[in-house]
Order: sequence, then C-alpha cells, then structure tokens
Amino acid sequence: SQTIHQWPATLVQPVGSPLSLECTVEGTSNPNLYWYRQAAGRGLQLLFYSVGIGQISSEVPQNLSASRPQDRQFILSSKKLLLSDSGFYLCAWSVPGGNEKLFFGSGTQLSVL
Amino acid sequence: AQSVTQLGSHVSVSEGALVLLRCNYSSSVPPYLFWYVQYPNQGLQLLLKYTSAATLVKGINGFEAEFKKSETSFHLTKPSAHMSDAAEYFCAVSDRRSGGYQKVTFGTGTKLQVIP
Repeated sequence: SQTIHQWPATLVQPVGSPLSLECTVEGTSNPNLYWYRQAAGRGLQLLFYSVGIGQISSEVPQNLSASRPQDRQFILSSKKLLLSDSGFYLCAWSVPGGNEKLFFGSGTQLSVL
Repeated sequence: AQSVTQLGSHVSVSEGALVLLRCNYSSSVPPYLFWYVQYPNQGLQLLLKYTSAATLVKGINGFEAEFKKSETSFHLTKPSAHMSDAAEYFCAVSDRRSGGYQKVTFGTGTKLQVIP
C-alpha cells in the first residue's frame, strides 16, 4: 500500500533562518507531488506541484522554493524565512492522469518568530 | 478558472441532528468534486468524490453529497451527527482535462462543531 511521510511535525524557526521540509512517498511510482500551505481561515493554497523529477511548477510568487531530486521525494525550502511564512504545510501526492484524488501527509506546523 | 465557495466558516449542530455543509463551485468544464475532512493537526482525508457517475455520492462515516449541475452545488450531508464528526471540512474542485496535470482548488473550509 502507498504511504506518505512528512517531517518534521512541528518547527520553530527565527526570521531569516533557512528552511527544509521533506516529504517522501512509498508504494507508488512517478506520482504527482504537491506542497500546500494552510493559513487560518484561508483554506489550502497550492504552492508547488511536480509531475516528474526536476519538474517544478510554482503557483504563487513567494519566498519559498521546491525541489524533486528523486521520483518520490519532494522538498520545500527557503534561504531566509519571513514571519509571513508561518503556517501549516501539507505535502500530498496523486496518481498521474487519474481524477486527482489527493493523499495528504500529516503536515508540518511552522512558526517563524 | 475554477473556484469553490463554502458557505459558513463555522457550523454547529446537536448530536443526532442533520449535518448540512454547503459548497458551490465554478468550473468552465465538467468538474470532479471532492469533500475532504481534517482533524486537528492532521492532514486531509478524502470523504467522497464525484466523477460523473451517480449524482448522489456516498462516502465514509455515513456522509453523502449530491451533485446538482443546475445549482452548481455539491452540499455534504449526514442524517445524524456524531461527536466524532467534529472536524474541518473542505470542498474541492478539479477540472477534467485530457491527460496531464489537473489542478485541485480547495474552499476555505467549514469547521463543524457537534454539541452533546
């Protein structure tokens, strides 16, 4: 069966520090991968998606970047965090060419102080 | 462009009462529609999905939703609320396209409170 792992679960970082959140998927090949951010009262905002290794699309301009160094690994990064980067970050995957049912990780609560 | 509107950011019901969470969508092509549930500090889980088969879709935990094209709605219902239903619920829409990536757009969510 397929599983998705996301870590860390919580993270407290000072403004201006770097960020690296990691997500891995097991039990499937060539998944579509996604990073979402959830802010209170604003629902889920799609940040990045990837349809293959090295293929990253950004939905909104921001202080963050994403990379997909391996087929089932998706990394969210920042060189210098801003206060506005605080939020709940969710990694997800889906079957390519399917009906885009998403399978979510358990999320990372990021607090930038 | 596609969009989703969820009416009511907070809904309170008594245990045993009907649950009705409203969702209206906008899509330029026939959509796929979804309801997800999120428990505190967790990821989202799929409750049910509509993909052009029956317009009344049954999901997990006794939830169901009806696709009404004329009203562009996909409201979520459950006949009798249980305490364990307390969570945040998200409606989502995805455009159908022939191959390639399909973007999923989420609503802003509705927090369901169940009162004993």
